[in-house]
Amino acid sequence: ETGVTQSPTHLIKTRGQQVTLRCSSQSGHNTVSWYQQALGQGPQFIFQYYREEENGRGNFPPRFSGLQFPNYSSELNVNALELDDSALYLCASSLVGLGSGGETQYFGPGTRLLVL
Amino acid sequence: SQELEQSPQSLIVQEGKNLTINCTSSKTLYGLYWYKQKYGEGLIFLMMLQKGGEEKSHEKITAKLDEKKQQSSLHITASQPSHAGIYLCGAVIHSGGSNYKLTFGKGTLLTVNP
Repeated sequence: ETGVTQSPTHLIKTRGQQVTLRCSSQSGHNTVSWYQQALGQGPQFIFQYYREEENGRGNFPPRFSGLQFPNYSSELNVNALELDDSALYLCASSLVGLGSGGETQYFGPGTRLLVL
Repeated sequence: SQELEQSPQSLIVQEGKNLTINCTSSKTLYGLYWYKQKYGEGLIFLMMLQKGGEEKSHEKITAKLDEKKQQSSLHITASQPSHAGIYLCGAVIHSGGSNYKLTFGKGTLLTVNP
């Protein structure tokens, strides 16, 4: 158990809909990162939040957005869902941001999203 | 092209055998991580390597980092069915400005037959 929790565990949506996924970071961690993992692939970095601000983003379109709250929990929002958005969405928390050294990321169990 | 290449893609071994998984980066590494994942679940942190030549061990798993070659290897000694899963290497890579990202290989699927 890493102390990182995600909700919901599973979700089914239809194309064009919007979805919000939630993540609670490990106690004491102020940095949250989100990843998309398609079947048979490694996780792909979506973005990272440090103290409520986005401080790094991968190659994902603007319809992928996020928030981090004062308690360092986080949301991932995806608008205008497409079939290819079907994946396991993982969040990870760390004590410091990437590039700072020693920034081990601890992952939650993930949310499996299916878009029909 | 993939920034992190893992090999092999899959591996089937008999219980008790040793095995090695390799990870090669096309870019400068600022940290190399090894994670294990059960199918459809979250990633479990195994080890982090930061310095060239660094070697870490946990139980029967040893990881090494060759910084010059931008490579890391994960070695399991006397494999057990509990070692089965997907092994992922992840690397901190500079993505421009003051930003960094954690990028992963595609993973190595390990099956251990009793």
